[in-house]
Amino acid sequence: DSGVTQTPKHLITATGQRVTLRCSPRSGDLSVYWYQQSLDQGLQFLIHYYNGEERAKGNILERFSAQQFPDLHSELNLSSLELGDSALYFCASSVVGGDTQYFGPGTRLTVL
Amino acid sequence: GEDVEQSLFLSVREGDSSVINCTYTDSSSTYLYWYKQEPGAGLQLLTYIFSNMDMKQDQRLTVLLNKKDKHLSLRIADTQTGDSAIYFCAESIRNAGNMLTFGGGTRLMVKP
Repeated sequence: DSGVTQTPKHLITATGQRVTLRCSPRSGDLSVYWYQQSLDQGLQFLIHYYNGEERAKGNILERFSAQQFPDLHSELNLSSLELGDSALYFCASSVVGGDTQYFGPGTRLTVL
Repeated sequence: GEDVEQSLFLSVREGDSSVINCTYTDSSSTYLYWYKQEPGAGLQLLTYIFSNMDMKQDQRLTVLLNKKDKHLSLRIADTQTGDSAIYFCAESIRNAGNMLTFGGGTRLMVKP
């Protein structure tokens, strides 16, 4: 157990809908990263937050957004969902940016 | 650019050593990581090596880094059936927000 928690574990929804994925970092970690794992794209970095502020963006679609709250948990919002958004979404945390990242168990999103 | 490559598949017999290879292209990598993913599970951090090191040993795991050839390997001694999983190498680049860039993963199958 890495100490990073993610909810929900599974999510099934329809095209056009909006969902929110939640991540709680390890105790004491200030950085949260989001990654997407899909069969065709592999594991790709989406976005990084440090202590509530966005620090870096990767291949994140404009339909996706994230935030990190004062209690350091983070949410990834996915809207206008398409079939191709079906994937495993991982969050990872580290003490500071650049430190070793520990991954949560992931949220499996299925868009029908 | 950033590109991390791994072979797709490796099969070994229980008790043998496994060597999983990885090549990367960005010479400004700071840390290089090995993660393990079992079916339906998240990414488990196995080990990492700082880019100014050549070798790191951690129990049954040995990481070798050849900076000149941008080649990273993970050796698992006395491979067990429980080691069957997908292994990902990843690089962390300080100038890129410390995001992780992952290889496509190597599926290790251990035969009894």
